[in-house]
Amino acid sequence: DQQVKQNSPSLSVQEGRISILNCDYTNSMFDYFLWYKKYPAEGPTFLISISSIKDKNEDGRFTVFLNKSAKHLSLHIVPSQPGDSAVYFCAAPGGGTSYGKLTFGQGTILTVHP
Amino acid sequence: NAGVMQNPRHLVRRRGQEARLRCSPMKGHSHVYWYRQLPEEGLKFMVYLQKENIIDESGMPKERFSAEFPKEGPSILRIQQVVRGDSAAYFCASSLSGTNTGELFFGEGSRLTVL
Repeated sequence: DQQVKQNSPSLSVQEGRISILNCDYTNSMFDYFLWYKKYPAEGPTFLISISSIKDKNEDGRFTVFLNKSAKHLSLHIVPSQPGDSAVYFCAAPGGGTSYGKLTFGQGTILTVHP
Repeated sequence: NAGVMQNPRHLVRRRGQEARLRCSPMKGHSHVYWYRQLPEEGLKFMVYLQKENIIDESGMPKERFSAEFPKEGPSILRIQQVVRGDSAAYFCASSLSGTNTGELFFGEGSRLTVL
């Protein structure tokens, strides 16, 4: 049962343009969402998060949008840079006593071309 | 660098051997999580430990896998009698407290290859 889904395995974008990465979830109990970025042969690093009480959170070039009725979130990167090329995972924590028990999507490989 | 340290980075084992993966959390962190990433998949939660206690092992296979986080020393993920399907990247993460926001600090991973 894939509770967090990233249906696009890959995305290719030109430098300077917008990158939009999408994520869908099925569990309506999720109340917090995160995006992690991962370079090859490295561990994931936290990028940005959003609470379910908000519909948007912005941090520099990165903005995450949450549509609770559609159970959908997206990560916008503007402007995209070649250094943004990585795998992006969306994730949701289980909460309760399972702190840090994250459910991850399958990831989207972003390639930003110079 | 006081980040999460994992070793070995790469480990090759033959079927039936044992694999031991070690994780030293960030300084001051007492909460450790292990995740596994199979090829072409996302990370899957395995186990959550605090010092000397297993808090949640709902993601651990029932057999051959065990984890510990002793009072002194690193956390250990142990896989006995490895099989080819155990080949994966194993990531350790830590947090200062029992975070309910999921912001974890990950190590670089240990890549297990079973021949």
